[in-house]
Amino acid sequence: AQSVTQLGSHVSVSEGALVLLRCNYSSSVPPYLFWYVQYPNQGLQLLLKYTTGATLVKGINGFEAEFKKSETSFHLTKPSAHMSDAAEYFCAVSGPSAGGTSYGKLTFGQGTILTVHP
Amino acid sequence: DAMVIQNPRYQVTQFGKPVTLSCSQTLNHNVMYWYQQKSSQAPKLLFHYYDKDFNNEADTPDNFQSRRPNTSFCFLDIRSPGLGDAAMYLCATSIGTSNPPSTDTQYFGPGTRLTVL
Repeated sequence: AQSVTQLGSHVSVSEGALVLLRCNYSSSVPPYLFWYVQYPNQGLQLLLKYTTGATLVKGINGFEAEFKKSETSFHLTKPSAHMSDAAEYFCAVSGPSAGGTSYGKLTFGQGTILTVHP
Repeated sequence: DAMVIQNPRYQVTQFGKPVTLSCSQTLNHNVMYWYQQKSSQAPKLLFHYYDKDFNNEADTPDNFQSRRPNTSFCFLDIRSPGLGDAAMYLCATSIGTSNPPSTDTQYFGPGTRLTVL
């Protein structure tokens, strides 16, 4: 079974400050890891994903995440927060569906709401 | 732009009255998913289709069913909605041809927020 834990349901930063959103995963197979962002009353938008290869992954809007197998972590960072970054962020791991098929069941963490103060 | 469209964005139904939510896609993707997201919770997969092959999650209630009449459309039917079914319902698609398929990016629609009175 796969699971994701996001540490901190709410994170508050000042505009221009570093953003760090934490994600730890549990997986019995090599994990495929994703970060999605959700703005109020909207669907989820992919920020970035790790499948194989380089462990530092760059995404949209200046976000990046580093896959650390030894720490089972995939933390999301952005050097300088912008007001438009305020949203809810979900870390997810992809794996076989409960029915046994392989087509990408996403198991999400509980989400982290990011607030950006002027 | 290619996209995932969900209608309606907001749906109100009465306790026990069947309701159908709609999803369409212009991405020509093979896989379509339905997720349920309750307030302040993570999205949870209900079921998905690879083409016409239906895959139900083990813990999806029997009250929830789905239809995919063609590549572009997928429907979520709730036969007898209860108060606990009030949630945001998210449709997503993926191309389904990556190796392995679990590496595919899923593209989400804006969701339908269901209210049960």
